[in-house]
Amino acid sequence: EVQLLESGGGLEQPGGSLRLSCAASGFTFSNYAMNWVRQAPGKGLEWVSAISAGGENTNYADSVKGRFTISRDNSKNTLHLQVHSLRAEDTAVYFCAKDHGYDPYYFDYWGQGTLVTVSS
Amino acid sequence: SYVLTQPPSVSVAPGQTARISCGGNNIESRTVHWYQQKSGQAPVLVVYDDSDRPSGIPERFSGSLSGNTATLTISRVEAGDEADYYCLKWDRNSDHVYVFGTGTKVTVL
Repeated sequence: EVQLLESGGGLEQPGGSLRLSCAASGFTFSNYAMNWVRQAPGKGLEWVSAISAGGENTNYADSVKGRFTISRDNSKNTLHLQVHSLRAEDTAVYFCAKDHGYDPYYFDYWGQGTLVTVSS
Repeated sequence: SYVLTQPPSVSVAPGQTARISCGGNNIESRTVHWYQQKSGQAPVLVVYDDSDRPSGIPERFSGSLSGNTATLTISRVEAGDEADYYCLKWDRNSDHVYVFGTGTKVTVL
């Protein structure tokens, strides 16, 4: 059974940093691209970032480019999102999503999310 | 930036058919996927590659693509289908590989 468990969310001040993690199990992690998707309170889904299975290719939404960094540790089946220069508009539930292939294609499994709140 | 437009809401009586559109520019074949998100839960894939259904998803859920508009159709709607629905477009040629639609709230009357 595929399981994705996010952690690292919390309350952070504007301008601060956080490191989100996603522990994966139930599939061969190193064979699949992975993604972060966020959802602000009461709003729709927003794709944030993707990383290919081997980690060689990364992609970002314009809203986070230059502030967020996606990475993965295939030896530990873990996905990360380092977030810097946080803004109020980054407040959201951040979901980890498994992709269907080695490169981005579509999301076939999701975690339950971790809440990031940016406020002074 | 690229926009995928969905109707904000669709209301349907039990047993009837709900249709949710997703419109954009230059939508290529086999690049649109659909997700169902019930209140307080993570999204679930209901249609991929425009019209294919993952295992475990009822046949009542179907998808299609015509021109630059994708459509999710829910036949014989049940109370349990009440949820938000999002289309997702994949673009292998863009740095922004994914774009979500604006989302549609389906209400079962």
